[in-house]
Amino acid sequence: GENVEQHPSTLSVQEGDSAVIKCTYSDSASNYFPWYKQELGKRPQLIIDIRSNVGEKKDQRIAVTLNKTAKHFSLHITETQPEDSAVYFCAASTAGTYKYIFGTGTRLKVLA
Amino acid sequence: NAGVTQTPKFRILKIGQSMTLQCTQDMNHNYMYWYRQDPGMGLKLIYYSVGAGITDKGEVPNGYNVSRSTTEDFPLRLELAAPSQTSVYFCASSEDQTSLRAYEQYFGPGTRLTVT
Repeated sequence: GENVEQHPSTLSVQEGDSAVIKCTYSDSASNYFPWYKQELGKRPQLIIDIRSNVGEKKDQRIAVTLNKTAKHFSLHITETQPEDSAVYFCAASTAGTYKYIFGTGTRLKVLA
Repeated sequence: NAGVTQTPKFRILKIGQSMTLQCTQDMNHNYMYWYRQDPGMGLKLIYYSVGAGITDKGEVPNGYNVSRSTTEDFPLRLELAAPSQTSVYFCASSEDQTSLRAYEQYFGPGTRLTVT
């Protein structure tokens, strides 16, 4: 079955710097890759996603890149702000199943 | 729309007790899911449903049961609660496969369950 690995588990950056979180997946049939942000005690919230027919997607300070050949995808946050501090989860979903396999999460701390 | 709602928010169970976690969505989504999130970990899929009357196992179904009698409701039943079931439980829903947004899952606020 699908397996998703996520790195790093924790990441500290200075305010204004960029942050990059990486995920790899095992199932070459996976075709949808969402990223969720979870603040302490809150529900996961979708922040950006990418489908397998696209190599990169941007939304303001957030971008996601996908390398299907290497089976990895990354979240990029530029000009980080203290409110970006949270746990970020990647996930992979296989066509027709609509089930997510989640990574183990990255705790991002943005230092003011 | 209230989106996905879950009750209760918190619950403490004794070992061996049973309970039902409630999940309701008002978005007319056909697909619904139950996840558990252990401290410091990602989410693991327990069960999912693609429509009323249809359910299937996820990654970690042991110790749980589900039913889906209506489109709106997807309750999760814990029988004979064990300490290993201490976790935060999230319900989620998504549109069906005919939708362009079929893959986007919307999460409820979660139920924090402690079994002692």
